[in-house]
Amino acid sequence: AQSVAQPEDQVNVAEGNPLTVKCTYSVSGNPYLFWYVQYPNRGLQFLLKYITGDNLVKGSYGFEAEFNKSQTSFHLKKPSALVSDSALYFCAVRGATSGTYKYIFGTGTRLKVLA
Amino acid sequence: SAVISQKPSRDICQRGTSLTIQCQVDSQVTMMFWYRQQPGQSLTLIATANQGSEATYESGFVIDKFPISRPNLTFSTLTVSNMSPEDSSIYLCSVGGQGYDQPQHFGDGTRLSIL
Repeated sequence: AQSVAQPEDQVNVAEGNPLTVKCTYSVSGNPYLFWYVQYPNRGLQFLLKYITGDNLVKGSYGFEAEFNKSQTSFHLKKPSALVSDSALYFCAVRGATSGTYKYIFGTGTRLKVLA
Repeated sequence: SAVISQKPSRDICQRGTSLTIQCQVDSQVTMMFWYRQQPGQSLTLIATANQGSEATYESGFVIDKFPISRPNLTFSTLTVSNMSPEDSSIYLCSVGGQGYDQPQHFGDGTRLSIL
């Protein structure tokens, strides 16, 4: 069965410092991995995805993610955090289950960037 | 990416009543998904709605409680029936591409409180 784990409920980082939000996955076959961000009173917004190719994927708002097959991880990173990056972040994996193309979401990590 | 409009954005309802949530997409899509996000928690898939067929419900969700309509390729509704306080959640509509590598795009959600 497919699964995604986000081991940290909350991550605090000072503005200007690098940030990492962790995600590990379990899937049979090739993983299709996604990161989303949710701001207050909004739906989820797509940040970036890994399908194949380069292990370092660049996305929106200066975010990037590193795919590590041996560690089954897909951590989200940003070199310099902004206060406006404070939000809820979800990792997701997608694959065919009974042909429904379901997405499996992690439990979310709340990022707080402190001024 | 698709633009998704969800109505209402929020509502406060009485126990035992029903509410229908509308989801309108600005382009034709094959699959639409309905999720529930309980306070501070991750997304739980309620059902997948394909045009021209019955919705596919996930374990723990039944059609009598969450009837779904999908009359065309740009519109869907989710009804939350006979509501109780446990139904207080955010309900999210999303659309996803046909390919495995396609991210989902979400509406801003309906914030539902049951008194």
